[in-house]
Amino acid sequence: DGGITQSPKYLFRKEGQNVTLSCEQNLNHDAMYWYRQDPGQGLRLIYYSQIVNDFQKGDIAEGYSVSREKKESFPLTVTSAQKNPTAFYLCASRRGTGGYEQYFGPGTRLTVT
Amino acid sequence: GIQVEQSPPDLILQEGANSTLRCNFSDSVNNLQWFHQNPWGQLINLFYIPSGTKQNGRLSATTVATERYSLLYISSSQTTDSGVYFCAVGGGADGLTFGKGTHLIIQP
Repeated sequence: DGGITQSPKYLFRKEGQNVTLSCEQNLNHDAMYWYRQDPGQGLRLIYYSQIVNDFQKGDIAEGYSVSREKKESFPLTVTSAQKNPTAFYLCASRRGTGGYEQYFGPGTRLTVT
Repeated sequence: GIQVEQSPPDLILQEGANSTLRCNFSDSVNNLQWFHQNPWGQLINLFYIPSGTKQNGRLSATTVATERYSLLYISSSQTTDSGVYFCAVGGGADGLTFGKGTHLIIQP
């Protein structure tokens, strides 16, 4: 099946620990994105990558880091510098040509205590 | 940055009713998408509609790009239509800017 997978579905961490969220796609899409959703709110853009080995900051990049070593993978690290890391994190991807439509993975719920 | 406003924020309807959800945006866009977020958080693509009109079963959408708004129509609502509907816009290859959503409840 073609699609976007995120793991794990639920993640619990202690304050002060870094944590890495996985996002993999087998759609052969060029671009990948990370968003954050807080309760009762819309999504906000954290980072995005148009091609391998290149990425740009979104609106709320502080306290996060990413890498794009392979086309199909775009992991997000939530560092201890992120002040309010508890949130729902969604990954998305987009074809490189033929339109700008984004498709989303199922998300990871991160709880930091 | 671009602003996105959705209305109404909440909507409660009886099964079988029709509804119209609105999305206003503050600048020209190359990408406009409507999503339905299910109770598990999954975002389901409804329409990619930077301009024009599209229909898919009981759902249809219209975007008037020159006037910077989009409408999502749901006809003959079913309880499974309940959830949060998001409008999201973008300039193109960059990320999307989301509205705060319309929370729709369809009562049997």
